[in-house]
Amino acid sequence: QVQVVQSGAEVKKPGASVKVSCKASGNIFTNYNIYWVRQAPGQGLEWMGIINPSGGSTNYAQKFQGRVTLTRDTSTGTVYMELRSLRSDDTAVYYCAREGTATTAFDIWGQGTMVTVSS
Amino acid sequence: QSVLTQPPSASGTPGQRVTVSCSGGSSNIGSNTVNWYQQLPGTAPKLLIYTNNQRPSGVPDRFSGSKSGTSASLAISGLQSEDEADYHCAAWDDSLNGPVFGGGTKLTVL
Repeated sequence: QVQVVQSGAEVKKPGASVKVSCKASGNIFTNYNIYWVRQAPGQGLEWMGIINPSGGSTNYAQKFQGRVTLTRDTSTGTVYMELRSLRSDDTAVYYCAREGTATTAFDIWGQGTMVTVSS
Repeated sequence: QSVLTQPPSASGTPGQRVTVSCSGGSSNIGSNTVNWYQQLPGTAPKLLIYTNNQRPSGVPDRFSGSKSGTSASLAISGLQSEDEADYHCAAWDDSLNGPVFGGGTKLTVL
């Protein structure tokens, strides 16, 4: 069964950093680009960044440039998203998602990780 | 403020046909394909329609997608109570060099 499991909910203070993990079963992430998308409470989806299959190439949305880093451990099939200098408006559910073959669609999603930023 | 524009809400009665619109521009919908996601309450989005009008395996044919110019539409026929969810459109944006989304449409089955 295809399964993607993200790390658990986090509560952080403003200015802190958070690192969220996304682990896939089997090799379902092996040859695919992985995206991170977030959703603030009651809001739409927002793209943060993409990491290529080898982890050697990343691209970040301009809004998050300098604050976000995506990495991946190909040996374990785990992808990581670190967001620094957290602010209250970073409170959101963070999702990892696989980009399908020959399409820009995200065909497999993690269950989401709630990150709350509060003093 | 989302790059793609969707109506915040839509509604219909069981058995009815409803449509959800998604409006963009020349750098996104106008030059790239559109995908649609269904998000049931408290869950992650699920791919519903890809490449404008293709359904992944397991998605009922009650769901269909179309695109014309810089706009796209999702149609749901034979509306069922379990269709009550948020629906998000998405497309690649050549100017931003990344995917952009609509703000989501909350569908209520009356």
